[in-house]
Amino acid sequence: GENVEQHPSTLSVQEGDSAVIKCTYSDSASNYFPWYKQELGKRPQLIIDIRSNVGEKKDQRIAVTLNKTAKHFSLHITETQPEDSAVYFCAAIGGATNKLIFGTGTLLAVQP
Amino acid sequence: NAGVTQTPKFRILKIGQSMTLQCTQDMNHNYMYWYRQDPGMGLKLIYYSVGAGITDKGEVPNGYNVSRSTTEDFPLRLELAAPSQTSVYFCASGNTGTSYEQYFGPGTRLTVT
Repeated sequence: GENVEQHPSTLSVQEGDSAVIKCTYSDSASNYFPWYKQELGKRPQLIIDIRSNVGEKKDQRIAVTLNKTAKHFSLHITETQPEDSAVYFCAAIGGATNKLIFGTGTLLAVQP
Repeated sequence: NAGVTQTPKFRILKIGQSMTLQCTQDMNHNYMYWYRQDPGMGLKLIYYSVGAGITDKGEVPNGYNVSRSTTEDFPLRLELAAPSQTSVYFCASGNTGTSYEQYFGPGTRLTVT
């Protein structure tokens, strides 16, 4: 089955800097890659997603890139702000069952 | 739309007790899911359903049961609670006809002592 690895597990950046979180997946049939943000004590919220027929997608300060050959995808946050501090999860999905397999999460701390 | 709702928000169980976690969605989604999230960890899929009357196991199904008699409801049953089941449980729903996006409920925090 699908396996998703996520790095780093923790990331501390200064306000205004960029943050990059990387994930790899194992199932070449996976075709959808969402990123979720989870604030302390809250539910995961979808922040951006990408499908396998697209190499890059951007939404304001957030972008996701996908390298299907290497089975890598990454989340890029530019001009980080303190409110970006949270745990970020990548995930991969594929096949007929739509089972999301999550990475282990990255705790992002943006220092003011 | 209320989206995905879960009850209860919190629960403390003694070892060996049973309980049902309720999940309801009002978005007419065909897919529903149960995840558990242990402290500091990612989400693990327990069970999922692709429509009323159809359920299947996820990554960590042992100790749980589900049913899906209606499109809206997807309860999760713990029969003999164990300390290893202490976790936060999230229900989610989605509609593959239009999107892979999954919408999460607010979660149930369960402690088994």
